[in-house]
Amino acid sequence: KQEVTQIPAALSVPEGENLVLNCSFTDSAIYNLQWFRQDPGKGLTSLLLIQSSQREQTSGRLNASLDKSSGRSTLYIAASQPGDSATYLCAVRGATDSWGKLQFGAGTQVVVTP
Amino acid sequence: DGGITQSPKYLFRKEGQNVTLSCEQNLNHDAMYWYRQDPGQGLRLIYYSQIVNDFQKGDIAEGYSVSREKKESFPLTVTSAQKNPTAFYLCASSFMGAEAFFGQGTRLTVV
Repeated sequence: KQEVTQIPAALSVPEGENLVLNCSFTDSAIYNLQWFRQDPGKGLTSLLLIQSSQREQTSGRLNASLDKSSGRSTLYIAASQPGDSATYLCAVRGATDSWGKLQFGAGTQVVVTP
Repeated sequence: DGGITQSPKYLFRKEGQNVTLSCEQNLNHDAMYWYRQDPGQGLRLIYYSQIVNDFQKGDIAEGYSVSREKKESFPLTVTSAQKNPTAFYLCASSFMGAEAFFGQGTRLTVV
């Protein structure tokens, strides 16, 4: 069964520092991987989707890498701002399950201090 | 605006009562999903549906039921058989294997 882990569970950085968030998964047979942001009491906002054939995906200050063979993805947020404070979740979709379920990690709670 | 609408935002359930959470999408997505979120845990899949009149159990389906009579609607009923229903419920939709989008959630509390 696919297991998704995000370490650390919480992270605090000063404003301007780059953020590095980690996601690992046990089964490398994935269809794609998606990063989300969640603000307290709110739903999930999609940040980036990486297909299994891609090595990285970029959107503005966000860059996500994928190393399928080692079961890892990393989300980089450049020049962090207080507005980046949120919980970040990664989720994977299995290669044989392209219609179906996303398997989620428990998330990393980020605080960016002014 | 295209998106996913969940209602109500807050819901209170008495012991032994069934309650229904609404999820509507206007993105023309085929697949829809219900997840449950508990503090400090990742999202867990309750049910998902790929097409109208068809749905599959996820990892924690016991005590829940769904229907998919229209493409845009996927309501979730929390039955009295669900012994620990207090949680944050999230609905999502996507095209086949593509980017998933989520609603704003419903917080259910047992009173």
